[in-house]
Amino acid sequence: QVQLQESGPGLVKPSETLSLTCAVSGYSISSGFYWGWIRQPPGKGLEWIGSIYHSGNTHYNPSLKSRVTISVDTSKNQFSLKLSSVTAADTAVYYCARIGAYWGQGTLVTVSS
Amino acid sequence: DIVMTQTPLSLSVTPGQPASISCKSSQSLLHSDGKTYLYWYLQKPGQSPQLLIYEVSSRFSGVPDKFSGSGSGTDFTLKISRVEAEDVGVYYCMQGTHLWTFGQGTKVEIK
Repeated sequence: QVQLQESGPGLVKPSETLSLTCAVSGYSISSGFYWGWIRQPPGKGLEWIGSIYHSGNTHYNPSLKSRVTISVDTSKNQFSLKLSSVTAADTAVYYCARIGAYWGQGTLVTVSS
Repeated sequence: DIVMTQTPLSLSVTPGQPASISCKSSQSLLHSDGKTYLYWYLQKPGQSPQLLIYEVSSRFSGVPDKFSGSGSGTDFTLKISRVEAEDVGVYYCMQGTHLWTFGQGTKVEIK
């Protein structure tokens, strides 16, 4: 059973960098598939942030591309998200996923001073 | 950028009755590899989205056969043959042919 678990600070100050990690169990990231991040502002819909292949090849949402970095650590079977220069508009539940099928439970990140 | 448009945005259904949700994309979702990467998810209240349908019409493991997907090109449909209380939530379509994009979501409730 593939399981994903997000971790990271729940509160980030404006203009700082949001950093989250997704630990994967039950499947080796090195074996394939795209892995990614999706967010959901309170009471709103889903927004794809970006994805990474096990080889390190990345794709980012054009609207966030200038601020997003996704990386993978196959030795730890985890991948990470960095979103820079955050504002209140970046407050959301952040999900990591094996794109298509499996999602983490999500973690709420609030941007506030 | 691909825009995914779902209709209706909300649906109130009598238990045991069918329901249908439409999802239209601004460009064809037929990939050069011959597959069409169109997914359907259900997000139940307070939960993460769960995959129902992948590649237009294939049911994910454990998904009951009352859920079915159809369509091609730019027009896709999710059908629920008999809506039950456990089907309440927000349904999203997502395309994965040209990067990834979600529809706005369709909220399904029971009458």
